[in-house]
Amino acid sequence: NAGVTQTPKFQVLKTGQSMTLQCAQDMNHNSMYWYRQDPGMGLRLIYYSASEGTTDKGEVPNGYNVSRLNKREFSLRLESAAPSQTSVYFCASSPARTGGTEAFFGQGTRLTVV
Amino acid sequence: EDQVTQSPEALRLQEGESSSLNCSYTVSGLRGLFWYRQDPGKGPEFLFTLYSAGEEKEKERLKATLTKKESFLHITAPKPEDSATYLCASRGGTSYGKLTFGQGTILTVHP
Repeated sequence: NAGVTQTPKFQVLKTGQSMTLQCAQDMNHNSMYWYRQDPGMGLRLIYYSASEGTTDKGEVPNGYNVSRLNKREFSLRLESAAPSQTSVYFCASSPARTGGTEAFFGQGTRLTVV
Repeated sequence: EDQVTQSPEALRLQEGESSSLNCSYTVSGLRGLFWYRQDPGKGPEFLFTLYSAGEEKEKERLKATLTKKESFLHITAPKPEDSATYLCASRGGTSYGKLTFGQGTILTVHP
C-alpha cells in the first residue's frame, strides 16, 4: 500500500523557473494538504483541498498555486521560484471533510532555489 | 489563532531513562490533538490522536495524555531506535482542515 506518493524527491531550480510538485494518494481520502517545513519554523500549511473540486489558502500561500486534479491527485505549482521557497514540501491526506482525523504524509520533496 | 508550543526543543536520554515531552496548545474548539514521529529525511508518521481531556493512548513504550491545555508524550524505558523528532499538532473547530504544528522535540536516546 503506497499511501501518499510525492514526486520528485529532490529538485534544484534557478530563480524565476517554474515547476509543479505532484502528489497522489491511494487511500480514497477526501482531504489533501500541502505543507512546507523550514528549520525553526515547523510545518506550515500552504494550501488545502477539503474535497475534490475545492481548494483553500493556508497560512503561507503567496507564490504558490494548487490544482485538485481528481480525488487522488493534488499538485502544487511554483510559477516563478524564489530563494525563499527553498524548503522541504510535504503533501498529506486525511479521510474526513470536517476534520478531526489524522493526516498521513508523503516522504517530502526537497527543493532548493538558487 | 491556534497556537501549539512544544518543550523542550531537544532532549537527550540514556537508554532506559523514562521522560516526558510537553505540548501546550491554545485552540478554539479542539477537534483533535495529534502526535507524530519524524525521522531524518522522512515525512511525519502518525502516532496518536486525542480528542478530549482525560483521554490516554498507548503504543509500545509511548503513552500520550491530554488535559484542557496540554498534552504529554511519556516515553518509558526508551531505546536508541526511539530517537526522532516528535511533533504535536492541533485541529480546531474554527480552523477547518488545518493542522497547526508545534516546532517539535528532538529526542536522542544514547545506548
